[in-house]
Amino acid sequence: DGGITQSPKYLFRKEGQNVTLSCEQNLNHDAMYWYRQDPGQGLRLIYYSQIVNDFQKGDIAEGYSVSREKKESFPLTVTSAQKNPTAFYLCASREDKNTEAFFGQGTRLTVV
Amino acid sequence: ILNVEQSPQSLHVQEGDSTNFTCSFPSSNFYALHWYRWETAKSPEALFVMTLNGDEKKKGRISATLNTKEGYSYLYIKGSQPEDSATYLCAFRLSGSARQLTFGSGTQLTVLP
Repeated sequence: DGGITQSPKYLFRKEGQNVTLSCEQNLNHDAMYWYRQDPGQGLRLIYYSQIVNDFQKGDIAEGYSVSREKKESFPLTVTSAQKNPTAFYLCASREDKNTEAFFGQGTRLTVV
Repeated sequence: ILNVEQSPQSLHVQEGDSTNFTCSFPSSNFYALHWYRWETAKSPEALFVMTLNGDEKKKGRISATLNTKEGYSYLYIKGSQPEDSATYLCAFRLSGSARQLTFGSGTQLTVLP
């Protein structure tokens, strides 16, 4: 079945460590996105990518990094520079400009 | 940072009631407005993608309208059912080459049996 998969579902990280969240899609979509959700808030855009080997910062990119070496994959690294990394992270992909986004199940990251 | 606002933030209605929510967005450089439904423990799912001023879209008991000149969209649910309980998100896209989608904070709907 086609879809978008995030892993892991839950992730615990020690303070000061980098951690990478996986996002894979087999929908052949060009655009991919990473969003963060905090309690009581909406989805805030971290990074997005329109094509392979290209990505742009969203509204809250500080402390995060991404890569887009393959069309199917858009991993997000939460670095030690991110001051408040505990949150729910959602990955999404879209085919082109006028189509809806498809979302993964999300990863809940907790810094301990 | 684009300002996309949704109201109300949360809403409780009785089963059978009709309800509606609002999404406000910048009226200049409009490209598209999306509506998503996000149930607890599931992924957000698309309801509508709207691009033209005056668009009206319908899916079952749910419908949406779009006014790009004044920068708002309404989502209507007719005869609410408990299974309609979810967070409803709108997302805005600016014209231009970027595919950035900016989301509002959502309206959390609870339909009481």
